[in-house]
Amino acid sequence: RKEVEQDPGPFNVPEGATVAFNCTYSNSASQSFFWYRQDCRKEPKLLMSVYSSGNEDGRFTAQLNRASQYISLLIRDSKLSDSATYLCVVNPDDSWGKLQFGAGTQVVVTP
Amino acid sequence: DVKVTQSSRYLVKRTGEKVFLECVQDMDHENMFWYRQDPGLGLRLIYFSYDVKMKEKGDIPEGYSVSREKKERFSLILESASTNQTSMYLCASSSQLEGYTFGSGTRLTVV
Repeated sequence: RKEVEQDPGPFNVPEGATVAFNCTYSNSASQSFFWYRQDCRKEPKLLMSVYSSGNEDGRFTAQLNRASQYISLLIRDSKLSDSATYLCVVNPDDSWGKLQFGAGTQVVVTP
Repeated sequence: DVKVTQSSRYLVKRTGEKVFLECVQDMDHENMFWYRQDPGLGLRLIYFSYDVKMKEKGDIPEGYSVSREKKERFSLILESASTNQTSMYLCASSSQLEGYTFGSGTRLTVV
């Protein structure tokens, strides 16, 4: 079983709509969680951290469910520029050493 | 801003060649990493280093070696390039305070 699993998509989303997707992780002791965004042929960049209480950054909302070992990302009012691959990232021991990466969920926002 | 610089954006090498991928970071980060990224597989850790002259194998070290003679530089070496090493190679550095930053990647093609 992979340490971090994501639906690869693609999620085809009309502009202005809402899209949400999850990621599951296998290590129940994992400490911190993140969503990274990766544009085509570019490096991953931190989108947002994920906290137990849930957190929002503009149109993006992230949630963590420790009991079921999944994190989610919701994008409201999708923009064409949101088209990207979203990587779920788990930091198992909070040390910023070895991270565990999901393979990514592709989102395509269409006009 | 932390900057992680990879020496080449695109590289084409012949089977059997020795290949050097260079990575330099300018923020005095202790930790440095080499990943490869392939479609559907996500990022896989090749080698990492938590200090100068220190190196640890990641999940897929076979066919690779690394060198960290100075804190800011972490080199990945393909001893004898093979076609199955065609991939996107991403270098990253991290610290407890600043988290992870990736370089812009090197797309290596072995022919």
